[in-house]
Amino acid sequence: KNQVEQSPQSLIILEGKNCTLQCNYTVSPFSNLRWYKQDTGRGPVSLTIMTFSENTKSNGRYTATLDADTKQSSLHITASQLSDSASYICVVSDRGSTLGRLYFGRGTQLTVWP
Amino acid sequence: EADIYQTPRYLVIGTGKKITLECSQTMGHDKMYWYQQDPGMELHLIHYSYGVNSTEKGDLSSESTVSRIRTEHFPLTLESARPSHTSQYLCASSEGSHTRETQYFGPGTRLLVL
Repeated sequence: KNQVEQSPQSLIILEGKNCTLQCNYTVSPFSNLRWYKQDTGRGPVSLTIMTFSENTKSNGRYTATLDADTKQSSLHITASQLSDSASYICVVSDRGSTLGRLYFGRGTQLTVWP
Repeated sequence: EADIYQTPRYLVIGTGKKITLECSQTMGHDKMYWYQQDPGMELHLIHYSYGVNSTEKGDLSSESTVSRIRTEHFPLTLESARPSHTSQYLCASSEGSHTRETQYFGPGTRLLVL
């Protein structure tokens, strides 16, 4: 059972516009939530990481929010650029083991058009 | 930029062949991982290692095997490749406690078994 759901599955926006990607999870007990960016044919690269006590984290034009009560997170991209075209993956970690098992979403495929 | 490397980047091979996917990192990380990712799907953990001479199977059953003789090297071997092994294989490494742990991914190996 996939415990991390992302929406939308895909999104097309024009260059310069803003967009928001959603992540809902049912992972428990919760440890942290990460957003990764994965360019086509490449490995994922970390954008942000948030623990239970953090409700917002920024990395340049990327701003992630976390509502641990409703188990929802969002990634907001401001003033999109062509290079933002990629898959954005939400990853949630539990506290059930030393490894901290990771649950991956299927990603939102973002395409930015000129 | 993460210092984690994978070779080959692309591999086309016939059924029944033995293959080894190479992964190396120069960051001195103790933890290393192998993931399998199909297009549009989430990453699935197939193997991980906490350090030298430590290897464990992940969540997704895999016919592959791994070894960890040196900290920086974590190769994955398929003794007899089959078309069902066609996928993208991502190697990652990490350091620190899992609360703040960030995994650094390699560029991946795209495997096609004919």
